[in-house]
Amino acid sequence: EIVLTQSPGTLSLSPGERATLSCRASQGVPSPYFAWYQQKPGQAPRLVIFGISIRATGIPDRFSGSGSGTDYSLTISRLEPEDFAVYYCEQYGASPRTFGQGTKVEIK
Amino acid sequence: EVQLVESGGGLAQPGGSLRISCSASGFIFSSHKMAWIRQAPGKGLEWVSVIFTDGTAIYADSVKGRFSMSRDNARNTVYLQMNSLRVDDTAIYYCAREYSGFDFWGQGTRVTASS
Repeated sequence: EIVLTQSPGTLSLSPGERATLSCRASQGVPSPYFAWYQQKPGQAPRLVIFGISIRATGIPDRFSGSGSGTDYSLTISRLEPEDFAVYYCEQYGASPRTFGQGTKVEIK
Repeated sequence: EVQLVESGGGLAQPGGSLRISCSASGFIFSSHKMAWIRQAPGKGLEWVSVIFTDGTAIYADSVKGRFSMSRDNARNTVYLQMNSLRVDDTAIYYCAREYSGFDFWGQGTRVTASS
């Protein structure tokens, strides 16, 4: 099983700042099967990025994804109030599909 | 508009059974893989199972042999039959469509295994 480790656990930033979230896999993820999700309290997760770097429908261009092999990142160029949430990475190239433990982006 | 609506959650005793459902609309259901993902209270996401368009299902090791996923294309519905429930199966269970990631999710149904 591919284990995904996200860092940091919590990111405290102000609106307008840049957020960079990391996700490291225990072994290489078959390309390009990597995704990021956003989850707000009391809501279901929402797909943000798939295929490493492709924004899902309706996701603004301040969100970008990158990476390869074992190291991936999600960048939010300028945080808006609605971006404060928990973000999960996921690999869907190998079975079982696995998620990271989440990074909480909170208002500083 | 794609919609996924879960139902059937509730309280069951450890060792008991429960069947949850997910009704889909707004897309060609029979052409898509569907999945169940769960989230224990205060925890992260855990993939549970996926069912392919041919009806074949695969499972996480944590539920293999106890849970069974099925689909009814005529009713646009997937099911998760959960047997031999354990306390650590307590979670919100989300149904999701699988297409380059899980691109649509339901609102979830809460399952509690407790005596």
